[in-house]
Amino acid sequence: GQQLNQSPQSMFIQEGEDVSMNCTSSSIFNTWLWYKQDPGEGPVLLIALYKAGELTSNGRLTAQFGITRKDSFLNISASIPSDVGIYFCAGQRLSGNTPLVFGKGTRLSVIA
Amino acid sequence: GAVVSQHPSRVICKSGTSVKIECRSLDFQATTMFWYRQFPKQSLMLMATSNEGSKATYEQGVEKDKFLINHASLTLSTLTVTSAHPEDSSFYICSAKAGDYGYTFGSGTRLTVV
Repeated sequence: GQQLNQSPQSMFIQEGEDVSMNCTSSSIFNTWLWYKQDPGEGPVLLIALYKAGELTSNGRLTAQFGITRKDSFLNISASIPSDVGIYFCAGQRLSGNTPLVFGKGTRLSVIA
Repeated sequence: GAVVSQHPSRVICKSGTSVKIECRSLDFQATTMFWYRQFPKQSLMLMATSNEGSKATYEQGVEKDKFLINHASLTLSTLTVTSAHPEDSSFYICSAKAGDYGYTFGSGTRLTVV
């Protein structure tokens, strides 16, 4: 099935550093979502974006819905050890109860 | 907020047997639920869309007779892996969309077929 292009695939950073990851698509999406997944758990929603150009923050996390509706980024500021995990972008192409399309994930490791 | 409960969290079964995974929306009604499969170090891949009161819609390459989906009520969808084989071992995750709460995921089921 279709997947979003997510990068980077993995990151190793020092505690306190900022992190940036992004997703792109050749198709337009109506909704962009960012999830975090811990080992053995389901994804947990971090930020949801519903309008092109929208910039939304959730604590140390900031995400933007690209103006072309084909991309989104997630920034994490001042990383801490508990930020470790896999971050997935997900998009919904159509409105209503349609399934999400996921990126391949960014594996984040934080070195204390 | 919207909560999706998935059970069991882990299951080990013998090759050839069937396993049923339950996905419940606890505080909302879900006319549509989604089933995903995730292999180690990979992303979530959509298997099927489960519709209450009607047949599920399967993604290309997913065998509907092997992965039986039943969505008999607005709060419960089940995925049954029939005649399981070791290659069916994976992490299965369900999801439901709850109005203003968006997409909520279950905690996943780790299936190991021995």
